Amino acid sequence: AQSVTQLGSHVSVSEGALVLLRCNYSSSVPPYLFWYVQYPNQGLQLLLKYTTGATLVKGINGFEAEFKKSETSFHLTKPSAHMSDAAEYFCAVSLFFGNEKLTFGTGTRLTIIP
Amino acid sequence: EAQVTQNPRYLITVTGKKLTVTCSQNMNHEYMSWYRQDPGLGLRQIYYSMNVEVTDKGDVPEGYKVSRKEKRNFPLILESPSPNQTSLYFCASSLDNRRRMNTEAFFGQGTRLTVV
Repeated sequence: AQSVTQLGSHVSVSEGALVLLRCNYSSSVPPYLFWYVQYPNQGLQLLLKYTTGATLVKGINGFEAEFKKSETSFHLTKPSAHMSDAAEYFCAVSLFFGNEKLTFGTGTRLTIIP
Repeated sequence: EAQVTQNPRYLITVTGKKLTVTCSQNMNHEYMSWYRQDPGLGLRQIYYSMNVEVTDKGDVPEGYKVSRKEKRNFPLILESPSPNQTSLYFCASSLDNRRRMNTEAFFGQGTRLTVV
């Protein structure tokens, strides 16, 4: 069975600073990895995904993530935080071709300090 | 506009009173699923459906039922709700990834259910 661990349920960064949200996974087979963002009172929106190929994945809103098999990690980064980035972020893993069954981490709430 | 629509958005009910949360998608997706979101637990899958008349349990199916009579609809049924089912519920849909790579799951806006 697969699992996802997100380190830090709350992360605060200053506007303009680097955003780093951590995600580690466990999986018996090569996984497919995803980051979703949830803004207040809204559903989940896909930020980016890794399926195969290039291990550095670029997503929307300037976010990117790197798949590191040796570290079983898929950390999310953004060079310069913006106030609009304040939201909850979920890392998820799937063992199938896509995301028919997503196993989610517990989420990280990102706060941006003006 | 491609979307997953859930209704209602908010619902307060009493213990034991049957309720249904509807979910509809307009993208002709084969795969649909229901998740519940609880603080500190993330999202957990309740039930999923690979196609019409094909449903199966997810990680936390107790106390829930689903049906998939039409491709676009996937209602979640709580026949006798209890307070521990107070949660935020999300419906999601995606293409059958056994045939297409690189698809994503689309989520509804969520249904906040309170059982008193």
